[in-house]
Amino acid sequence: GAGVSQSPRYKVAKRGQDVALRCDPISGHVSLFWYQQALGQGPEFLTYFQNEAQLDKSGLPSDRFFAERPEGSVSTLKIQRTQQEDSAVYLCASSLATASPGPEQYFGPGTRLTVT
Amino acid sequence: AQTVTQSQPEMSVQEAETVTLSCTYDTSESDYYLFWYKQPPSRQMILVIRQEAYKQQNATENRFSVNFQKAAKSFSLKISDSQLGDAAMYFCASTQGGSEKLVFGKGTKLTVNP
Repeated sequence: GAGVSQSPRYKVAKRGQDVALRCDPISGHVSLFWYQQALGQGPEFLTYFQNEAQLDKSGLPSDRFFAERPEGSVSTLKIQRTQQEDSAVYLCASSLATASPGPEQYFGPGTRLTVT
Repeated sequence: AQTVTQSQPEMSVQEAETVTLSCTYDTSESDYYLFWYKQPPSRQMILVIRQEAYKQQNATENRFSVNFQKAAKSFSLKISDSQLGDAAMYFCASTQGGSEKLVFGKGTKLTVNP
């Protein structure tokens, strides 16, 4: 079946612009995660959904970052007034389980955001 | 905060040889999961192997195995009979806070020489 897909794959934004990054998880996956991966670093947790509920947003770096998953499937990560430090690859992952740790997270290809 | 440390930024191995990637972690939780993920160049991150902390037996997946030392908080990955397709960034990760969210190390770049 289809894996996790993300769009766009590449996004160039001028500083101060708003961007929206989309994630389509694997059908039926309850949990959805967003991670930020800076160049040469490991992914860092941003936020987590269980169905449509955002259970943890402790990793969002500022109030310019906002994520939603209104119908419990597709998710959008929005970044307002982009700054150069927002340049990174944004990874989305989904998994079957609800809340309990351990299940495999399936990652999408990521969206590479460059802020100029 | 929970941390995962990979002390080897880069490693290389000859094709068909064995290589071990190191990982240590810091957690106060009693139950957690540990993972090794592989990220090939310009490709998606995929799970290599997973270990449940309450299981003493080391996980094995074909040519990949782990050496899990719970008391030392160490979780190394051994790749046997290395293949050219094993070349990638390898990330060690741990669950955090009793939830599914992952904390990753900075990664080890593995090069496989023919």
